[in-house]
Amino acid sequence: KNQVEQSPQSLIILEGKNCTLQCNYTVSPFSNLRWYKQDTGRGPVSLTIMTFSENTKSNGRYTATLDADTKQSSLHITASQLSDSASYICVVSDAGTYKYIFGTGTRLKVLA
Amino acid sequence: NAGVTQTPKFQVLKTGQSMTLQCAQDMNHEYMSWYRQDPGMGLRLIHYSVGAGITDQGEVPNGYNVSRSTTEDFPLRLLSAAPSQTSVYFCASSYSLAGVSEQFFGPGTRLTVL
Repeated sequence: KNQVEQSPQSLIILEGKNCTLQCNYTVSPFSNLRWYKQDTGRGPVSLTIMTFSENTKSNGRYTATLDADTKQSSLHITASQLSDSASYICVVSDAGTYKYIFGTGTRLKVLA
Repeated sequence: NAGVTQTPKFQVLKTGQSMTLQCAQDMNHEYMSWYRQDPGMGLRLIHYSVGAGITDQGEVPNGYNVSRSTTEDFPLRLLSAAPSQTSVYFCASSYSLAGVSEQFFGPGTRLTVL
């Protein structure tokens, strides 16, 4: 069964620190992997989209990595800010059905 | 350019009532979809459309109807609301299904069914 699993479920860090969120998937055939940021009470907003051939992609202080062989991805946040407090959702697109499989998200809280 | 808009933002229904959640996009996107988001679960696809006049079921379609008469609008109808439909509903749109087309989400509708 196609699944996307994220860890940790929640994370608390101090402002200015770095953190890394993990995403493991079993989706096959693979099309692409996306990371979204979802602020409380808002819709998800795209951070990065990565295809099979891309290992790393950055969007400001957000850097996503993809290892298609091990079916793992990570999202690294550098020099965290209070505004980074949100849920981060990993989504994998199935190349056969074009359907998106969503992870349950990692809830990040950045403290001053 | 408003992106994806949804109305209402909040709604409370009684069991058995019907209602329509509105969704509109102004980006001329062919692909539109409805998701529900429940605590502890990933977003789940309810219905989707690949263009005007074309709709299909997603993962959890029971109790919901959709139609797509224009490219811009994709309303979601609850036929007879049940407490199990209490959820946050998101509409999304993208240029296409295939490839790396970015998917844009609306702000959501928080629905409570009593």
